[in-house]
Amino acid sequence: DAGVTQSPTHLIKTRGQQVTLRCSPKSGHDTVSWYQQALGQGPQFIFQYYEEEERQRGNFPDRFSGHQFPNYSSELNVNALLLGDSALYLCASSRGNFYNEQFFGPGTRLTVL
Amino acid sequence: GEDVEQSLFLSVREGDSSVINCTYTDSSSTYLYWYKQEPGAGLQLLTYIFSNMDMKQDQRLTVLLNKKDKHLSLRIADTQTGDSAIYFCAESKRGTASKLTFGTGTRLQVTL
Repeated sequence: DAGVTQSPTHLIKTRGQQVTLRCSPKSGHDTVSWYQQALGQGPQFIFQYYEEEERQRGNFPDRFSGHQFPNYSSELNVNALLLGDSALYLCASSRGNFYNEQFFGPGTRLTVL
Repeated sequence: GEDVEQSLFLSVREGDSSVINCTYTDSSSTYLYWYKQEPGAGLQLLTYIFSNMDMKQDQRLTVLLNKKDKHLSLRIADTQTGDSAIYFCAESKRGTASKLTFGTGTRLQVTL
């Protein structure tokens, strides 16, 4: 079992560009949540996808959007990048959208110049 | 609103016990968690406790919950150098259990 995988590992973009991050959940999991972790901070919840729909959303602007595919993998898209979007983006998967242990991937480190 | 607070740093000697503390503000928190993050890695769930429990023990880990004071602690017995990491306290609520609110993390340094 590969666990939760994320790609790419690192990414460098410039202000105003758009970025897409990818996540494959752990085998048997159908729910994907995305978190943003700024340097020295705890992760902050962006949104959650279940049954290909956004089910919950944190306090993030519409520049942050996502998608879940029929195979349960997910993408996080960020438009019009700002310097403040530089962070570690973590994906977590779980089974069902109620309580179940969430397994986190290693993250994608995004740097915006 | 939701707020989870932790002290930033804790240093202990190998073999001693570590106690990491956390306070939260939302009384509707239903589940409380401890996660571990090692450098360059994602988050690993160590343990969790339901809000109707006072204590949970799992091998070297003991979680204590004081719901009245909204205080959560993680005790690591016989702390080892491999326990050096950042520890995050997190909470979630019934019905939104997949949305975790994290504290800022406590860096645990284990010295020889």
